[in-house]
Amino acid sequence: AQSVTQLGSHVSVSEGALVLLRCNYSSSVPPYLFWYVQYPNQGLQLLLKYTTGATLVKGINGFEAEFKKSETSFHLTKPSAHMSDAAEYFCAPGSRRGSYIPTFGRGTSLIVHP
Amino acid sequence: KAGVTQTPRYLIKTRGQQVTLSCSPISGHRSVSWYQQTPGQGLQFLFEYFSETQRNKGNFPGRFSGRQFSNSRSEMNVSTLELGDSALYLCASSRQYQQGIGYEQYFGPGTRLTVT
Repeated sequence: AQSVTQLGSHVSVSEGALVLLRCNYSSSVPPYLFWYVQYPNQGLQLLLKYTTGATLVKGINGFEAEFKKSETSFHLTKPSAHMSDAAEYFCAPGSRRGSYIPTFGRGTSLIVHP
Repeated sequence: KAGVTQTPRYLIKTRGQQVTLSCSPISGHRSVSWYQQTPGQGLQFLFEYFSETQRNKGNFPGRFSGRQFSNSRSEMNVSTLELGDSALYLCASSRQYQQGIGYEQYFGPGTRLTVT
């Protein structure tokens, strides 16, 4: 079964600082991987996705993530945090093998200090 | 294109009652999945419907059920509510899985259920 692990339930950064949210995946085949963002009192919104091809993918709001097969990682980064980036971020697998049971990461809450 | 809509947005029920939540997917999406989100357990998969058939089911008791109509709209029902059922219930729609795209889901805003 595919699963992802998000390291750190909370990440705190200052406005303007680098954002790094970690996600490691477990799978025997190259997966599709997604990052979703959830703002307070809202549903999840797709931030970016890795399917095939370029391992560095760019998403909305200046976020990007790099798929590293050797490290089984798909970490999310943003060069400069903004107050509006404060939200919950979820990593999720997007592949389908047999009966697909979506298993999201536990989520990482990003806190941005002024 | 209109997004995924869920009704109602907020709901307060008493323990022992039952509740029905509704989800309208994005036009053209035939898959609807339901999730329960709580601070303690995170985002947990309830079930998925595709073309009116339940395709996958998570590890929840039989009190949780769902169905999908021919227009892809879906409902989920929780009978004999317990305090622990208080949660945000999210619905997500998707096209059929596509090679090269994966299983991208589009989420609604959720229904906040409070059981007292």
